[in-house]
Amino acid sequence: NAGVMQNPRHLVRRRGQEARLRCSPVKGHSHVYWYRQLPEEGLKFMVYLQKENIIDESGMPKERFSAEFPKEGPSILRIQQVVRGDSAAYFCASSPSGGYGYTFGSGTRLTVV
Amino acid sequence: SQQGEEDPQALSIQEGENATMNCSYKTSINNLQWYRQNSGRGLVHLILIRSNEREKHSGRLRVTLDTSKKSSSLLITASRAADTASYFCATDLYGNKLVFGAGTILRVKS
Repeated sequence: NAGVMQNPRHLVRRRGQEARLRCSPVKGHSHVYWYRQLPEEGLKFMVYLQKENIIDESGMPKERFSAEFPKEGPSILRIQQVVRGDSAAYFCASSPSGGYGYTFGSGTRLTVV
Repeated sequence: SQQGEEDPQALSIQEGENATMNCSYKTSINNLQWYRQNSGRGLVHLILIRSNEREKHSGRLRVTLDTSKKSSSLLITASRAADTASYFCATDLYGNKLVFGAGTILRVKS
């Protein structure tokens, strides 16, 4: 029973490139959440998705960031035209239902050079 | 905006001592959760306390919740070197997101 799988673990992008972060939830979990953690800080909510639907994207920057959770396959967090300030650890969590039983992945550490 | 605030920001104790971390929050909650994060790793869920509960135990962990003061505490008894990590509280209101505090860095010296 695998936990939340995120890949890649580490991602280096040059300014202006695109970053794609993938998250496979725990089997049977239909709720996915993305969080961002800057160095020395707590996690900040970005977006909450259920299969094929964005439920809450109140934490997503208005531009360059998008997320999806298709019917088949992993959830994708996409950052276009990355800037140095996007460097952070991005964590995905899943739950069987909203509000309880969160399982977090090990994160993707994005470095923009 | 960040809701939870932990204190202290950093705590250094000797193995065998107890460690207490506090968390304050600003709005209503459905539940409050504590997580541990080892350096450079993901979060591990420790314990969840619902808004109608006042105290909860799990092994060497004891969590209290005071909704009138909007605060919670996490006590780790008989600490071990392996408890060295960052500890975060997170609040949940509608089940659509967790709001995390900035964390307490705990160092247990052997």
